[in-house]
Amino acid sequence: EAGVAQSPRYKIIEKRQSVAFWCNPISGHATLYWYQQILGQGPKLLIQFQNNGVVDDSQLPKDRFSAERLKGVDSTLKIQPAKLEDSAVYLCASNRGAGGAETQYFGPGTRLLVL
Amino acid sequence: AQSVTQLGSHVSVSEGALVLLRCNYSSSVPPYLFWYVQYPNQGLQLLLKYTSAATLVKGINGFEAEFKKSETSFHLTKPSAHMSDAAEYFCAVRTPNTGNQFYFGTGTSLTVIP
Repeated sequence: EAGVAQSPRYKIIEKRQSVAFWCNPISGHATLYWYQQILGQGPKLLIQFQNNGVVDDSQLPKDRFSAERLKGVDSTLKIQPAKLEDSAVYLCASNRGAGGAETQYFGPGTRLLVL
Repeated sequence: AQSVTQLGSHVSVSEGALVLLRCNYSSSVPPYLFWYVQYPNQGLQLLLKYTSAATLVKGINGFEAEFKKSETSFHLTKPSAHMSDAAEYFCAVRTPNTGNQFYFGTGTSLTVIP
């Protein structure tokens, strides 16, 4: 079974530019998550999708971040405009359903550096 | 609110020595608890999870953790450290009353000394 795929793996941009990340979850996984992991910290949830609907986006900075999951499969996360403090690793994860005991499977992440 | 505290951001052990990584959680309802490992430039990989069955949970690579409700702890152990265990370890809590959202600790970096 293929894992969670993310691209690009690395991105360097200047502040005020825009950037987009892509995630393809494991086939059949209804729930998809985007996390932000700042160096030296644990992952912080940005947004959670159940199929193509948003379950939780309470920690998403909506003035600059947006995310969508068209057709309930792939997802994109966009930052516009980027700030220096957005430098982090952006992790995508998925699990099959919404059960609390389910394992989340993580992609390799996209490392973003904002100069 | 749910939270996770990992005591010790850096732990060093000698190869062959006991590994003990500490995790304490805060939750108003019975939690699900997870340990993940992250190798450099990779995503997180599940080591083990507690889902209200046996309190002693065995995971991959020889790791295990014990759920202790009275101490609100879920410490990760391995009897004998191997060089390949050097990585970042994250404890996470998940509860149904918060939409099953994961709350991660700040992580513990494990160094194994040859």
